[in-house]
Amino acid sequence: DGGITQSPKYLFRKEGQNVTLSCEQNLNHDAMYWYRQDPGQGLRLIYYSQIVNDFQKGDIAEGYSVSREKKESFPLTVTSAQKNPTAFYLCASSIKHNNQPQHFGDGTRLSIL
Amino acid sequence: GIQVEQSPPDLILQEGANSTLRCNFSDSVNNLQWFHQNPWGQLINLFYIPSGTKQNGRLSATTVATERYSLLYISSSQTTDSGVYFCAVDDDYKLSFGAGTTVTVRA
Repeated sequence: DGGITQSPKYLFRKEGQNVTLSCEQNLNHDAMYWYRQDPGQGLRLIYYSQIVNDFQKGDIAEGYSVSREKKESFPLTVTSAQKNPTAFYLCASSIKHNNQPQHFGDGTRLSIL
Repeated sequence: GIQVEQSPPDLILQEGANSTLRCNFSDSVNNLQWFHQNPWGQLINLFYIPSGTKQNGRLSATTVATERYSLLYISSSQTTDSGVYFCAVDDDYKLSFGAGTTVTVRA
């Protein structure tokens, strides 16, 4: 089945710890995105990548980092600099950047211990 | 960035009822998507509809790009239609989301 796989579904972080959220897609999509959703709100863009080895900051990139070493993979690291990391994180991909529908994974819920 | 406003914020329906959700956006767009987020958080693509009308079963959507709004119609609602409906539009390199309409369908 083609799709976007995010793991883990639930993640707990201790104070001062970095954690990495996985996002893999087998849709052969060029562009990938990370969004954050807080309770009762819409999604906000953290980072996006149009091609391998290239990525750009979104609206709320502070405290996060990404890499795009392979077309299929776009992991997100939540660093200790992110002071309010508790949220629902969604990864998306599209055929190419801009004007194409985005498809989403099932998300990862991150909580602070 | 583009502002996206959805109305109403909350909607309670009796099973079998019809409803209309609205999405207004502040600038011209090339991409508009409607999503349904179920109680488990999964975001399901409903429509990719930058203009015109599309139908998928009991759901249909219409976008009037020149007037900067889109409507999502739910007919003969079922309890499985409950959840949050989001409208999102392309805003340069990202999708800008509205705050959503929370729909509760009661049996």
